[in-house]
Amino acid sequence: QKEVEQDPGPLSVPEGAIVSLNCTYSNSAFQYFMWYRQYSRKGPELLMYTYSSGNKEDGRFTAQVDKSSKYISLFIRDSQPSDSATYLCAMSDSNYQLIWGAGTKLIIKP
Amino acid sequence: GAVVSQHPSWVICKSGTSVKIECRSLDFQATTMFWYRQFPKQSLMLMATSNEGSKATYEQGVEKDKFLINHASLTLSTLTVTSAHPEDSSFYICSAIRGPSNQPQHFGDGTRLSIL
Repeated sequence: QKEVEQDPGPLSVPEGAIVSLNCTYSNSAFQYFMWYRQYSRKGPELLMYTYSSGNKEDGRFTAQVDKSSKYISLFIRDSQPSDSATYLCAMSDSNYQLIWGAGTKLIIKP
Repeated sequence: GAVVSQHPSWVICKSGTSVKIECRSLDFQATTMFWYRQFPKQSLMLMATSNEGSKATYEQGVEKDKFLINHASLTLSTLTVTSAHPEDSSFYICSAIRGPSNQPQHFGDGTRLSIL
């Protein structure tokens, strides 16, 4: 079993929909949780960074961390075609080494 | 946000040659940088951790003599693929941490390496 599980998709939704992306993990020592967006042939771009449990909002993006369930989510409101990309979750414990999810390919249909 | 620049973005070379990839933190000093390799439709695989002024720490299975890493300054790390062969063709990405080690990694745009 992988330390971090993420559905690779693809996830296809119409423009304007609310998108929900999720990861589950098994290591209770993880404290730092990140979401990255990666366009084809580009490096990952940091979207959200959260420490411990709770919610964090930035524009159309909301990140949620539920440590009791070992479950993290990223919500995208008013999705746009330009949001089409692969979304990667990553997490770490007190060591800075990241453990990555497989990435979910998101397609926003105009 | 923090800017990490990677160069070149794409390189094609003949088998047996060595290729150097540069990773620069443009607006901050990075004591720690990382080098990743990514295969098509897969997640990132950490190759090594690069600390300024000391030897890099390689992940299990990564050949130190094949992938030479130098972190000569607080803003520059280089990865040299020595005697490259077609199986070394891949997408190589660097990242850097701005500030304390619990801060998130910021990534360059990657280098697409094609060995003929």
